[in-house]
Amino acid sequence: QVHLQESGPGLVKPSETLSLDCTVSDVSISSFYWSWIRQPPGKGLEWMGYISDGGNSKYNPSLESRVTISRDTSKNQVSLKLNSVTSADTAMYFCARVVKGYSFFDFWGQGALVTVSS
Amino acid sequence: EIVLTQSPGTMSFSPGDRATLSCRASQTVRTNYVAWYQQKPGQAPRLLIYEASIRRTGIPDRFSGSGSGTDFTLTISRLEPEDFAVYYCQQYGRSPETFGQGTKLEL
Repeated sequence: QVHLQESGPGLVKPSETLSLDCTVSDVSISSFYWSWIRQPPGKGLEWMGYISDGGNSKYNPSLESRVTISRDTSKNQVSLKLNSVTSADTAMYFCARVVKGYSFFDFWGQGALVTVSS
Repeated sequence: EIVLTQSPGTMSFSPGDRATLSCRASQTVRTNYVAWYQQKPGQAPRLLIYEASIRRTGIPDRFSGSGSGTDFTLTISRLEPEDFAVYYCQQYGRSPETFGQGTKLEL
């Protein structure tokens, strides 16, 4: 069973950078694609982007200018950075495994709530 | 991007009822690449169905998916108490991957 755990600051100031890590257990991150998906309180889901098994990233055009997804294979971690945050970026942030050959998500972390506020 | 519309936003049922949830796409979804997820309060979404009609291993057979083109449906044949949750459709036929806004099943 694949286990994903998000971690990072729960509070970020406006205009600063949101940073989260997703630590993956029981499978190598180099074997799959991994996505970040966010959910503002009481709202729906938004795909932010993914990093491939080879380390290449692709982003949602709506966020492309502000988002970076990277990885550290030595730690088996996938990371998210979102810069110039505003209150609209307040959300639960999930990391999820992408099913091979497709782009839907079979395993999810429990999520990390990030609030943007001064 | 492909916009997915799930309506209505909330549906009321009783245990044992049959629930039919709708997901309509603004454009044809390639190869019926639609997935359905269930989300309970405070939890991550859980994958139920992919490729419009393929049930994930371990998902009860009361859950079924159907549809093609722009119209997709998730059916729960006999609602169990644990099925009252929010359900999201997602298309992965064209990037960016997009989700519907969700349908909440309530008692």
